[in-house]
Amino acid sequence: DSGVTQTPKHLITATGQRVTLRCSPRSGDLSVYWYQQSLDQGLQFLIQYYNGEERAKGNILERFSAQQFPDLHSELNLSSLELGDSALYFCASSVDHFVGGRGEQFFGPGTRLTVL
Amino acid sequence: DAKTTQPPSMDCAEGRAANLPCNHSTISGNEYVYWYRQIHSQGPQYIIHGLKNNETNEMASLIITEDRKSSTLILPHATLRDTAVYYCIVREGNAGNMLTFGGGTRLMVKP
Repeated sequence: DSGVTQTPKHLITATGQRVTLRCSPRSGDLSVYWYQQSLDQGLQFLIQYYNGEERAKGNILERFSAQQFPDLHSELNLSSLELGDSALYFCASSVDHFVGGRGEQFFGPGTRLTVL
Repeated sequence: DAKTTQPPSMDCAEGRAANLPCNHSTISGNEYVYWYRQIHSQGPQYIIHGLKNNETNEMASLIITEDRKSSTLILPHATLRDTAVYYCIVREGNAGNMLTFGGGTRLMVKP
């Protein structure tokens, strides 16, 4: 158990719909990262938040957005869903400071999104 | 742009050492080598990381060549539960940086 929680575990929805994925980081971690894993694209970084502010953006579509709340949990919003958005979505967290070279990210169990 | 190159798949006999290679010929001086693994569709799991010295922890050992252009992850006594995709990742030491995953090596541990 990494200490990172994600809900829901599974989500089935239709094209054109909007969904929200939720992530709670490990206690004390200020950074939250979102990754998408699809069969054809592998694991791809989407976006990072640090203490409530966006820090880095990766291959995130304009239809997707995220935020991190004062209690440090994060939500990933996916709208106008397409079949190709079906994937595993992982959240990870880290302490986000450099101490002796450590800085590993701890991943949650993921949310499996199926768009029909 | 891929910073690392790994064989797509490897087999290992249960109880034997699994040696997973990784090439990172363009690594720069402030970049670390990280290893993660993903068992089935679970979230990736951190294994180990290093800068230039060899490292060992309870899970594995990391051997980095002197020129830092390649490394090897060693699982000393592989078990069936070590069957997973292993990712070698090069990144700067700033813990805030995202991870860039390549294709990884699918390790199959066989009885």
